[in-house]
Parts: sequence; C-alpha cells; structure tokens
Amino acid sequence: DIGLTQSPSSLSASVGDRVTITCRASQSISKFLNWYQQKPGKAPKALIYAASSLQSGVPSRFSGSGSGTDFTLTISSLQPEDSAIYYCQQSYTTPPYTFGQGTKLEIK
Amino acid sequence: QVQLVESGGGAVQPGRSLRVSCAASGFTFGFHAMHWVRQAPGTGLQWVGLISSDSTRTHYADSVKGRFTISRDNSRNTLYLQMNSLRPEDTALYYCARDDGRPSGTFDSWGLGTLVVVST
Repeated sequence: DIGLTQSPSSLSASVGDRVTITCRASQSISKFLNWYQQKPGKAPKALIYAASSLQSGVPSRFSGSGSGTDFTLTISSLQPEDSAIYYCQQSYTTPPYTFGQGTKLEIK
Repeated sequence: QVQLVESGGGAVQPGRSLRVSCAASGFTFGFHAMHWVRQAPGTGLQWVGLISSDSTRTHYADSVKGRFTISRDNSRNTLYLQMNSLRPEDTALYYCARDDGRPSGTFDSWGLGTLVVVST
C-alpha cells in the first residue's frame, strides 16, 4: 500500500500568513493526490484534486502543487475560518485509497 | 444540491452485526461510484471500501475484508454497509462519500456520518 506522510503534524499561524503543508508519498503517484479540509464536528470537504486543481466553490487562496512523491497545499493569506485539520489522499494505486495522518492548523 | 444522509448507527456488542445506510439526493445516484470512509474517535480518516455505479465492482480495506459488505439500490438512491463480526476497533464515525468520477478519484461530497460503537 502507498503511504502518505504529512508535515508538520500541527502548526499555528496568524491571520494573513502564508501557510504550507506538505504530503510525501512512499512511491511515485504522478498527480493522483487530493486535499481535504475537516473542521471540528464536520464532514471532510474536498479542496484540491489532481494535485493542483481547485474544487468548485473553494476560495482561491487555497492552491496545490507537486507531482511524483512530493506535494504541497498552500494557503496564501490565512483566514480565521481556515482553522481545521487538512488531509491528503492518494488515488494512484487503488484499492486501497489512503489518507495522510492529517495536519492540524490553528490560528494564533 | 448534493445531499448524503447516513443512518443506522448505534451501540452493538462485539461479534454482532449492524447495517448502516446512506440516502442520496440532489444528483443522479446511479452515475457515481460510492465509498465508505470511517474515522475512529480523535483519529484520522480511513477508507473502508467502494462500490461501482452499477454494483459490479466492490473493493474493501484489508481490515474489513470478509466482514463488511457494501451494496446499493439505485432505484432507492441508497447505499448500504453491512457490518458483521464487529470488533471494538470498528468503533468509528462512518461517512459515505461520492466519487467524482474523475481519474483523480476525489471524494467530492460527504455525509455527516453515523456513529457505530462496538462495546460490551
């Protein structure tokens, strides 16, 4: 199975900051990498698909990049409502579909 | 708008069975593969399994293979997860999620989940 490792596991940043979360795959997955946001008590929400495409309705301050084994999710200007846990997920070799362990983002 | 509503969760003893459901609306259910994803308390997301749009293909995580069965009724716009031989480690919030149909395999809509607790 393909493993996904996210870093950092948690971070704290201020409103307006540029924030970057990394996801590393245990083998090349081309661009078959998606990102999700989960707020407390809520279902996950798709943000980015195919590594860099923005899901409909997602604010443009979110962006994704990468291919192969290294991927990043960037929030260009952090907003208070971005406090959440962020997960990456691969769909290159399935089943199984695997998720990263999550990155908890807090607002200072 | 797309809506997925899970139901049927509850408390069950180890070794027993439970079936949870997911009612879909706001889209053509029969056009989409569907997934179950679970989240144990305080932990991350774990994919459980999928069923193709026409029910011809199902796949499962190794942790549930042989115990869980996914099915669907496209005439009722409903997805099911039959869970047998339940174990305490199956305790989780179970989400159904829609596959967007793209090669990216994105879960583009999720329900709110139904909680399954396996305990004596």
